[in-house]
Amino acid sequence: EPEVTQTPSHQVTQMGQEVILRCVPISNHLYFYWYRQILGQKVEFLVSFYNNEISEKSEIFDDQFSVERPDGSNFTLKIRSTKLEDSAMYFCASSEWGRARGETQYFGPGTRLLVL
Amino acid sequence: QKEVEQNSGPLSVPEGAIASLNCTYSDRGSQSFFWYRQYSGKSPELIMSIYSNGDKEDGRFTAQLNKASQYVSLLIRDSQPSDSATYLCAVSAGGTSYGKLTFGQGTILTVHP
Repeated sequence: EPEVTQTPSHQVTQMGQEVILRCVPISNHLYFYWYRQILGQKVEFLVSFYNNEISEKSEIFDDQFSVERPDGSNFTLKIRSTKLEDSAMYFCASSEWGRARGETQYFGPGTRLLVL
Repeated sequence: QKEVEQNSGPLSVPEGAIASLNCTYSDRGSQSFFWYRQYSGKSPELIMSIYSNGDKEDGRFTAQLNKASQYVSLLIRDSQPSDSATYLCAVSAGGTSYGKLTFGQGTILTVHP
């Protein structure tokens, strides 16, 4: 069964450093998403991406964050200058169309980011 | 701020019982509703989606939606210890925000033998 994959599974970085989290969405899916979950808290929407541009972003997704689809398979989230509060599990998700009612988003296994 | 609230847990039920999980949402324009299961340290896994008022059944799971009351629930029949997890209610708005999911804080379910 097709699945969303993410690398790395864990990332430890120093405050102020840049990190890039990578995702490979399901191959025939057109909409991609990033969510994050701080330990013990809700899953929070960060950004949605379609046709090589951002469809929607949350207040969390400030200028320190960017997304890119550098090739036909990868979808990346870059955090330019990490802060302690960026420590969280980051989930990538994808969906086939993105605008169909009741459509499923499939989540990757996540990248646990720890900022020291 | 569009909110999704779930009944506070944790919820503990004996094996074989019915577990009932509840969720309310604040945005009347919400179109689609999802129940995800999340094991500790893992990603959300879809159990069911529903977007029409009424009940939707899939095996041991039944989702119920009442848009007038802005309420969605999940019933798990014949609960098994393997159902022990955090259950997340997620809501998708309509219009240009079809894709964005707003999650509740989750309800921890424990099924004891």
